[in-house]
Amino acid sequence: QVQLVESGGGVVQPGRSLRLSCAASGFPFTSFGIHWVRQAPGKGLEWVAHISYDGKNKYYADSVKGRFTISRDVSKSTVYLQMDSLRPEDTAVYYCAKKGTWNWVDYWGQGNLVTVSS
Amino acid sequence: QTVVTQEPSLTVAPGGTVTLTCASSTGAVTTSYSPNWFQQRPGQAPTALIYQTTTRHSWTPARFSGSLLGDKAALTVSGVQPEDEADYYCLLYFGVGHLVFGGGTKLTVL
Repeated sequence: QVQLVESGGGVVQPGRSLRLSCAASGFPFTSFGIHWVRQAPGKGLEWVAHISYDGKNKYYADSVKGRFTISRDVSKSTVYLQMDSLRPEDTAVYYCAKKGTWNWVDYWGQGNLVTVSS
Repeated sequence: QTVVTQEPSLTVAPGGTVTLTCASSTGAVTTSYSPNWFQQRPGQAPTALIYQTTTRHSWTPARFSGSLLGDKAALTVSGVQPEDEADYYCLLYFGVGHLVFGGGTKLTVL
């Protein structure tokens, strides 16, 4: 069965960096893209970034462009979200989610909390 | 900035029917926006319900259906069950790398 497991969250000071990981299994990793979606405490969902099935195309929300970088390691079936210059407003649960064959999202990870605070 | 709007909250009696909607600040929502719907119960990750406007995932109960209603995307829940109490989010695709979630609807079953 499809599984997405996030890790790497925690508490970090403003201006510092953190890298999240999303370990994928149960589907052909190189056939599907992966999204990162976040949810601030008590708020709604916000799309953050996407990497295409072949790793060639990467897209970012304006709120994180220039600070966050999405990448992947095919040998580990893992997608990463490198988060630099973190701000308090980046505090959220970060989910990775699998893209479907076309424009849909089908499976979600359990989420990982990132807290940016001094 | 593109904004996707949902009803903040709705209440429905058990066994009743309720429709949630999803509007776009850019104009009418069409199938080209590939509306997706997700359910999120308290303390849990979201789960996918509907994609491409009307298609249920294999695990989605038949009481959930998607449609276009006027100039909005819609999610209708028929024969509402207590376990349907949750937050519901729509997602619209505005282009490559331009996805926007709605603000969410809190559905109360009372």
